[in-house]
Amino acid sequence: GDSVTQMEGPVTLSEEAFLTINCTYTATGYPSLFWYVQYPGEGLQLLLKATKADDKGSNKGFEATYRKETTSFHLEKGSVQVSDSAVYFCALVWRETSYDKVIFGPGTSLSVIP
Amino acid sequence: DGGITQSPKYLFRKEGQNVTLSCEQNLNHDAMYWYRQDPGQGLRLIYYSQIVNDFQKGDIAEGYSVSREKKESFPLTVTSAQKNPTAFYLCASGPGVYSNQPQHFGDGTRLSIL
Repeated sequence: GDSVTQMEGPVTLSEEAFLTINCTYTATGYPSLFWYVQYPGEGLQLLLKATKADDKGSNKGFEATYRKETTSFHLEKGSVQVSDSAVYFCALVWRETSYDKVIFGPGTSLSVIP
Repeated sequence: DGGITQSPKYLFRKEGQNVTLSCEQNLNHDAMYWYRQDPGQGLRLIYYSQIVNDFQKGDIAEGYSVSREKKESFPLTVTSAQKNPTAFYLCASGPGVYSNQPQHFGDGTRLSIL
Protein backbone atom coordinates (compact mmCIF):
# COMPACT_ATOMS: atom_id res chain seq x y z
CA GLY A 1 0.00 0.00 0.00
CA ASP A 2 0.86 3.65 -0.04
CA SER A 3 3.40 4.67 2.59
CA VAL A 4 6.10 7.08 3.68
CA THR A 5 9.35 5.90 5.25
CA GLN A 6 11.74 8.14 7.15
CA MET A 7 15.12 7.48 8.66
CA GLU A 8 14.92 6.48 12.27
CA GLY A 9 15.91 8.95 14.92
CA PRO A 10 16.79 10.47 17.14
CA VAL A 11 19.43 12.35 15.22
CA THR A 12 21.94 14.36 17.24
CA LEU A 13 24.20 16.89 15.53
CA SER A 14 26.57 19.61 16.60
CA GLU A 15 25.77 23.17 15.64
CA GLU A 16 26.80 24.04 12.08
CA ALA A 17 26.84 20.39 10.99
CA PHE A 18 25.25 19.23 7.73
CA LEU A 19 21.80 17.64 8.04
CA THR A 20 20.17 14.99 5.89
CA ILE A 21 16.90 13.30 6.82
CA ASN A 22 15.93 10.62 4.33
CA CYS A 23 12.37 10.18 3.13
CA THR A 24 11.12 7.67 0.58
CA TYR A 25 7.58 6.97 -0.46
CA THR A 26 5.39 4.43 -2.17
CA ALA A 27 2.33 5.73 -3.96
CA THR A 28 0.30 5.26 -7.07
CA GLY A 29 0.08 8.29 -9.29
CA TYR A 30 1.93 11.55 -8.75
CA PRO A 31 1.63 12.85 -5.21
CA SER A 32 2.66 16.21 -3.85
CA LEU A 33 5.36 15.98 -1.17
CA PHE A 34 5.82 18.02 1.98
CA TRP A 35 8.07 18.41 4.98
CA TYR A 36 6.53 19.55 8.25
CA VAL A 37 8.29 20.56 11.47
CA GLN A 38 6.93 20.16 15.00
CA TYR A 39 8.48 22.03 17.91
CA PRO A 40 7.87 20.66 21.43
CA GLY A 41 4.28 21.01 22.57
CA GLU A 42 3.12 22.58 19.30
CA GLY A 43 1.28 21.58 16.16
CA LEU A 44 2.89 20.91 12.80
CA GLN A 45 4.13 23.72 10.60
CA LEU A 46 4.67 23.39 6.89
CA LEU A 47 8.40 23.69 6.17
CA LEU A 48 8.52 23.20 2.39
CA LYS A 49 6.75 21.49 -0.46
CA ALA A 50 7.17 20.15 -4.00
CA THR A 51 4.30 19.28 -6.30
CA LYS A 52 5.99 17.60 -9.27
CA ALA A 53 9.10 15.70 -10.24
CA ASP A 54 12.40 17.63 -10.02
CA ASP A 55 10.79 20.46 -8.05
CA LYS A 56 12.98 21.76 -5.26
CA GLY A 57 11.28 23.11 -2.15
CA SER A 58 13.24 25.43 0.12
CA ASN A 59 12.65 27.45 3.25
CA LYS A 60 14.76 28.73 6.18
CA GLY A 61 17.89 27.11 4.75
CA PHE A 62 16.23 23.70 4.34
CA GLU A 63 15.91 22.11 0.91
CA ALA A 64 14.37 18.97 -0.57
CA THR A 65 14.11 17.78 -4.19
CA TYR A 66 11.30 15.62 -5.52
CA ARG A 67 13.06 12.62 -7.11
CA LYS A 68 10.53 10.53 -8.98
CA GLU A 69 13.08 7.99 -10.20
CA THR A 70 14.11 7.11 -6.64
CA THR A 71 10.73 8.02 -5.04
CA SER A 72 12.55 10.16 -2.53
CA PHE A 73 12.28 13.61 -0.92
CA HIS A 74 15.29 13.92 1.37
CA LEU A 75 15.53 16.98 3.63
CA GLU A 76 18.87 18.79 3.80
CA LYS A 77 20.38 21.81 5.53
CA GLY A 78 23.95 22.95 5.20
CA SER A 79 24.46 24.28 8.73
CA VAL A 80 22.04 23.46 11.52
CA GLN A 81 21.36 25.64 14.55
CA VAL A 82 20.19 24.80 18.05
CA SER A 83 16.82 26.34 17.13
CA ASP A 84 16.34 23.62 14.48
CA SER A 85 15.86 21.02 17.21
CA ALA A 86 12.41 19.56 16.50
CA VAL A 87 10.62 16.59 14.98
CA TYR A 88 10.45 16.54 11.18
CA PHE A 89 7.67 14.77 9.27
CA CYS A 90 7.67 13.84 5.62
CA ALA A 91 4.19 13.65 4.06
CA LEU A 92 2.53 13.08 0.74
CA VAL A 93 -0.85 14.12 -0.65
CA TRP A 94 -2.60 12.71 -3.67
CA ARG A 95 -6.05 12.38 -5.07
CA GLU A 96 -8.19 9.45 -4.14
CA THR A 97 -11.46 9.11 -6.00
CA SER A 98 -13.32 11.61 -3.85
CA TYR A 99 -10.82 13.25 -1.51
CA ASP A 100 -7.20 14.20 -0.96
CA LYS A 101 -5.44 11.46 0.94
CA VAL A 102 -2.58 12.43 3.23
CA ILE A 103 0.02 10.06 4.65
CA PHE A 104 2.61 11.16 7.19
CA GLY A 105 5.87 9.46 7.92
CA PRO A 106 6.64 8.50 11.54
CA GLY A 107 8.76 11.60 12.14
CA THR A 108 12.47 12.06 12.82
CA SER A 109 13.58 13.77 16.00
CA LEU A 110 16.54 16.14 15.61
CA SER A 111 18.60 17.49 18.50
CA VAL A 112 21.26 20.10 17.78
CA ILE A 113 23.81 20.67 20.53
CA PRO A 114 25.97 23.79 20.88
CA ASP B 1 -4.23 36.44 10.65
CA GLY B 2 -5.92 33.32 9.38
CA GLY B 3 -5.36 30.10 11.20
CA ILE B 4 -6.68 27.21 13.23
CA THR B 5 -7.57 27.52 16.89
CA GLN B 6 -7.77 24.48 19.13
CA SER B 7 -9.04 24.62 22.67
CA PRO B 8 -8.39 23.87 25.39
CA LYS B 9 -4.63 23.38 25.29
CA TYR B 10 -4.80 20.85 28.15
CA LEU B 11 -7.79 18.69 29.07
CA PHE B 12 -8.39 16.06 31.72
CA ARG B 13 -10.96 13.31 31.54
CA LYS B 14 -12.49 11.30 34.31
CA GLU B 15 -13.49 7.66 33.95
CA GLY B 16 -16.76 7.25 32.04
CA GLN B 17 -16.81 10.85 30.90
CA ASN B 18 -17.14 12.23 27.39
CA VAL B 19 -15.04 15.27 26.54
CA THR B 20 -15.15 17.54 23.51
CA LEU B 21 -12.18 19.18 21.85
CA SER B 22 -12.81 22.35 19.90
CA CYS B 23 -11.35 23.22 16.50
CA GLU B 24 -12.14 26.43 14.62
CA GLN B 25 -10.58 27.72 11.38
CA ASN B 26 -10.88 31.02 9.55
CA LEU B 27 -8.97 29.98 6.46
CA ASN B 28 -12.15 29.31 4.46
CA HIS B 29 -11.01 25.73 3.98
CA ASP B 30 -13.51 23.09 2.94
CA ALA B 31 -11.70 20.12 4.48
CA MET B 32 -10.92 19.50 8.14
CA TYR B 33 -9.15 16.64 9.89
CA TRP B 34 -8.48 15.21 13.34
CA TYR B 35 -5.27 13.34 14.15
CA ARG B 36 -4.01 11.58 17.22
CA GLN B 37 -0.31 11.65 18.11
CA ASP B 38 1.19 9.37 20.73
CA PRO B 39 4.65 9.96 22.24
CA GLY B 40 7.42 9.29 19.76
CA GLN B 41 4.97 8.33 17.04
CA GLY B 42 3.56 9.82 13.91
CA LEU B 43 0.05 11.04 13.22
CA ARG B 44 -2.95 8.77 12.89
CA LEU B 45 -6.14 9.98 11.23
CA ILE B 46 -9.28 9.81 13.37
CA TYR B 47 -11.93 11.55 11.24
CA TYR B 48 -12.03 13.90 8.30
CA SER B 49 -14.64 16.08 6.66
CA GLN B 50 -14.57 17.37 3.11
CA ILE B 51 -17.72 19.46 3.35
CA VAL B 52 -20.29 20.71 5.84
CA ASN B 53 -22.64 18.04 7.20
CA ASP B 54 -20.45 15.24 5.93
CA PHE B 55 -17.57 13.37 7.54
CA GLN B 56 -15.76 10.07 7.18
CA LYS B 57 -13.95 7.71 9.53
CA GLY B 58 -10.21 7.61 9.41
CA ASP B 59 -7.92 4.82 10.55
CA ILE B 60 -8.71 4.93 14.29
CA ALA B 61 -12.29 6.26 14.61
CA GLU B 62 -13.50 3.86 17.31
CA GLY B 63 -14.35 5.67 20.54
CA TYR B 64 -14.54 9.08 18.85
CA SER B 65 -17.28 11.14 17.25
CA VAL B 66 -17.39 14.39 15.28
CA SER B 67 -19.82 16.85 13.77
CA ARG B 68 -19.51 19.42 10.99
CA GLU B 69 -22.46 21.79 11.25
CA LYS B 70 -20.47 24.83 10.16
CA LYS B 71 -17.62 25.21 7.71
CA GLU B 72 -15.45 26.83 10.36
CA SER B 73 -15.91 24.27 13.10
CA PHE B 74 -15.09 20.56 13.51
CA PRO B 75 -15.36 19.48 17.18
CA LEU B 76 -14.12 16.06 18.28
CA THR B 77 -15.75 14.15 21.14
CA VAL B 78 -13.70 11.54 22.93
CA THR B 79 -16.25 9.14 24.34
CA SER B 80 -16.01 6.80 27.32
CA ALA B 81 -15.68 3.97 24.80
CA GLN B 82 -12.17 5.18 24.00
CA LYS B 83 -10.21 3.22 26.60
CA ASN B 84 -6.82 4.79 25.98
CA PRO B 85 -7.51 8.46 25.26
CA THR B 86 -4.29 9.94 26.63
CA ALA B 87 -2.62 11.56 23.62
CA PHE B 88 -1.93 14.79 21.79
CA TYR B 89 -4.77 15.68 19.42
CA LEU B 90 -4.17 17.78 16.34
CA CYS B 91 -6.76 19.43 14.14
CA ALA B 92 -5.93 20.41 10.57
CA SER B 93 -7.65 22.01 7.61
CA GLY B 94 -7.00 22.10 3.89
CA PRO B 95 -8.44 23.55 0.70
CA GLY B 96 -10.17 20.27 0.01
CA VAL B 97 -10.68 17.85 -2.76
CA TYR B 98 -8.19 17.71 -5.59
CA SER B 99 -6.13 20.59 -4.30
CA ASN B 100 -2.89 18.69 -3.66
CA GLN B 101 -2.15 21.40 -1.14
CA PRO B 102 -0.74 21.05 2.36
CA GLN B 103 -2.78 20.96 5.51
CA HIS B 104 -2.58 23.68 8.13
CA PHE B 105 -2.44 22.61 11.76
CA GLY B 106 -3.59 23.96 15.08
CA ASP B 107 -1.39 23.92 18.19
CA GLY B 108 -3.01 20.80 19.59
CA THR B 109 -4.85 19.67 22.70
CA ARG B 110 -3.17 17.38 25.20
CA LEU B 111 -5.70 15.02 26.80
CA SER B 112 -4.91 13.13 29.98
CA ILE B 113 -6.81 10.75 32.25
CA LEU B 114 -7.47 11.70 35.87
